[in-house]
Amino acid sequence: GNSVTQMEGPVTLSEEAFLTINCTYTATGYPSLFWYVQYPGEGLQLLLKATKADDKGSNKGFEATYRKETTSFHLEKGSVQVSDSAVYFCALDPKAAGNKLTFGGGTRVLVKP
Amino acid sequence: ETGVTQTPRHLVMGMTNKKSLKCEQHLGHNAMYWYKQSAKKPLELMFVYSLEERVENNSVPSRFSPECPNSSHLFLHLHTLQPEDSALYLCASSQEGAGARNYGYTFGSGTRLTVV
Repeated sequence: GNSVTQMEGPVTLSEEAFLTINCTYTATGYPSLFWYVQYPGEGLQLLLKATKADDKGSNKGFEATYRKETTSFHLEKGSVQVSDSAVYFCALDPKAAGNKLTFGGGTRVLVKP
Repeated sequence: ETGVTQTPRHLVMGMTNKKSLKCEQHLGHNAMYWYKQSAKKPLELMFVYSLEERVENNSVPSRFSPECPNSSHLFLHLHTLQPEDSALYLCASSQEGAGARNYGYTFGSGTRLTVV
């Protein structure tokens, strides 16, 4: 079956530090891959996406590259801000009829001033 | 209004009460979902509606009863809940097929439910 594994948090870092959140997946074929972000007290928001191998998704200074060879979609940001404190979810859509988004367990990130 | 709107934002109910959660989307999507998010647990997909028909029910207790009267509205009727049902309930919508694969799901802000 399809699955998404992400690093467990919480990840605590200082403002302007480099952030990496690892995400690996298991799926047949070539799924679409997503990162969602959940700010405190809110629902999930789509942060970025990639629909095929070697695509790079980017938004708000965050980037992730779809690596088919390592089945990974790691999220990175070069210089985090306090406002980036949130829970980040990696997800895949298997592109098969009737299949739904599969989410990872989420990684909580806390950025301290 | 645009996006996915959930009401109420917060709800406290007793175990013998009956209440309903409402979700509304103005995106023209044809699929809607209920998720449960509990502390320190992964997101749980509860129900999926596609073209207003329920296509998936992930073994959810019968005290949760979904209703999808049209493609824009989704309800979750609650009765005789337990304290362990306290959680954030999230609604999402998508355009099935290429829409979901390319754009993912759009989520509402959730209803924070506390069962006392």
